[in-house]
Amino acid sequence: DAKTTQPPSMDCAEGRAANLPCNHSTISGNEYVYWYRQIHSQGPQYIIHGLKNNETNEMASLIITEDRKSSTLILPHATLRDTAVYYCIVRLYSSNTGKLIFGQGTTLQVKP
Amino acid sequence: NAGVTQTPKFQVLKTGQSMTLQCAQDMNHNSMYWYRQDPGMGLRLIYYSASEGTTDKGEVPNGYNVSRLNKREFSLRLESAAPSQTSVYFCASSEPLVVGTNEQFFGPGTRLTVL
Repeated sequence: DAKTTQPPSMDCAEGRAANLPCNHSTISGNEYVYWYRQIHSQGPQYIIHGLKNNETNEMASLIITEDRKSSTLILPHATLRDTAVYYCIVRLYSSNTGKLIFGQGTTLQVKP
Repeated sequence: NAGVTQTPKFQVLKTGQSMTLQCAQDMNHNSMYWYRQDPGMGLRLIYYSASEGTTDKGEVPNGYNVSRLNKREFSLRLESAAPSQTSVYFCASSEPLVVGTNEQFFGPGTRLTVL
């Protein structure tokens, strides 16, 4: 699976959009980009995933560049409850395993 | 649905003691996983089970054994605990057989201290 690079920390004002970047320059054509978050020592929570098209769900939007070498997770209106560690993971789809390789992630601090 | 449950929530062991961490899921998922998370670090995969009856090593399997007891339950055993195994242990499950998904559902974690 390709390696990802994320900034170790970011701040965001409450109510503003939080844009979390991720570099995955060695991604291959059949690898997906996944985002998870972990709120203060809880188990990680799935947010969104995508292959090459932009994706949106009730939690966030995922923007993947055309060359697929980087992506951005967007939380459109960040709240204090969005303070968490956000993990960007690149994974080869396989029907045999679903294992994920977590990096150190980005700690997002949402401030009032 | 309870989702993924783990027992115990907290445990303190002495070096050399053994114990089993229990995990169960009620979502009828085929795949289950054990991760450990050390302070300030991301999660590292210990073992996983792609389906009932199969188990495979992850990134950091040394010092651990696992049993996929049935489709619902996946246990992690420390035969002779060491201080380096002090960590938070998370169990997860997923259904990877649907293309492009593999959302993993995580349990609340077991906080283990080895003295």
